Amino acid sequence: GAVVSQHPSWVICKSGTSVKIECRSLDFQATTMFWYRQFPKQSLMLMATSNEGSKATYEQGVEKDKFLINHASLTLSTLTVTSAHPEDSSFYICSARDSGTGGEKLFFGSGTQLSVL
Amino acid sequence: DAKTTQPTSMDCAEGRAANLPCNHSTISGNEYVYWYRQIHSQGPQYIIHGLKNNETNEMASLIITEDRKSSTLILPHATLRDTAVYYCIVRVMDSSYKLIFGSGTRLLVRP
Repeated sequence: GAVVSQHPSWVICKSGTSVKIECRSLDFQATTMFWYRQFPKQSLMLMATSNEGSKATYEQGVEKDKFLINHASLTLSTLTVTSAHPEDSSFYICSARDSGTGGEKLFFGSGTQLSVL
Repeated sequence: DAKTTQPTSMDCAEGRAANLPCNHSTISGNEYVYWYRQIHSQGPQYIIHGLKNNETNEMASLIITEDRKSSTLILPHATLRDTAVYYCIVRVMDSSYKLIFGSGTRLLVRP
């Protein structure tokens, strides 16, 4: 199956700093990627839809100025958590739609565990 | 997208079939049933999807009732590595392509 690479796997940062998470589709082109967050023992919550070459679409309640999304190429989307605070500590997961096969399946990265001190 | 209801947790013995039910009584005619699973601290993994007909692949079988109001995911010979949270999702094949996850079923495969 298609591979989505997410980096870093985990990151620890100080409160007030910004953290960038990368999501790459390795063997397919992805015009659309999605960003989720997951708190311990909870389900995945969709944060935003990232569209190549255009602005991201954020779900209700997600601060677009805090969670900056850039999708500059067909294989890369980035999520930047700006001015991170301890409550932003979470597991962040990206997924990508394989444009070439009609997008019936979404493929997920392995996730990034963010800890804000 | 229609809402799904799944048991919070289930268990089965290694080597036996695991049958995971999902209720989606408000499903629309153009909504597909998808199953994903998430092993601890990893991203979700696609298992199978279907619209009306039963589907089978190398991982599992999907049985959808005739009225489409419920479905069952079958892992024919569960192994310890199948221990995970299984998510049943109904989704319209529209231009958004997004998946909205419910709470899922935590499956424990016992040795």
